[in-house]
Amino acid sequence: QVQLVQSGAEVRKPGSSVKVSCKASAGTFNSYPISWVRQAPGQGLEWMGGIVPVFGRADYAPKFQGRVTITADASTSTAYMEMSNLTSDNTAVYYCVRGLDFWGQGTPVTVSS
Amino acid sequence: EIVMTQSPLSLSVTPGQPASISCKSSQSLLRSDGKTYLYWYLQRPGQSPQLIISEVSSRFSGVPDRFSGSGSGTDFTLKISRVEAEDVGIYYCMEGKYDWTFGQGTKVEIK
Repeated sequence: QVQLVQSGAEVRKPGSSVKVSCKASAGTFNSYPISWVRQAPGQGLEWMGGIVPVFGRADYAPKFQGRVTITADASTSTAYMEMSNLTSDNTAVYYCVRGLDFWGQGTPVTVSS
Repeated sequence: EIVMTQSPLSLSVTPGQPASISCKSSQSLLRSDGKTYLYWYLQRPGQSPQLIISEVSSRFSGVPDRFSGSGSGTDFTLKISRVEAEDVGIYYCMEGKYDWTFGQGTKVEIK
């Protein structure tokens, strides 16, 4: 059974950046897409982008293009999502998803001065 | 940009009674490979979303058969034949044909 274990909660100041990790505990990592989905407090789900580790190229939702970088390290079965120039609107829980069916536990990111 | 519209946005159901959620997409989710890329997720309180239905009507592993999905093209429905207490949460439809676009979510609670 695949498990995705994400890094812990983060608190950042406006204008800074954050990098969230997502480690797959078992199963094939390289050939499955890893997506990132965020959920603002009390809000719905929003796709940010994704990557297929074996190909290495990430795709992004238009609103995140240029501010989010998604990468993957096959040697450690770990995917990363880095967001720069944070604002309070980026306060949310960030999830990684392998394929369609395995979700990480979520990483809360709080942006506050 | 594709838009996914769910209705209703909230539902209060007596245990043992059926429930139905509609999801409409602004564009057809049927791809040239013959598959329709519509999925349903349930997010229980305080948990990560979990896949319950894939490609319109295929129940994911371990999902009880009281859950069923139907529809085609742009109109889809999730039905729960007899709601149980563990079905409480927010249900999202999601298109996977383009990028991933989620509906607004339907909150299901027990009366």
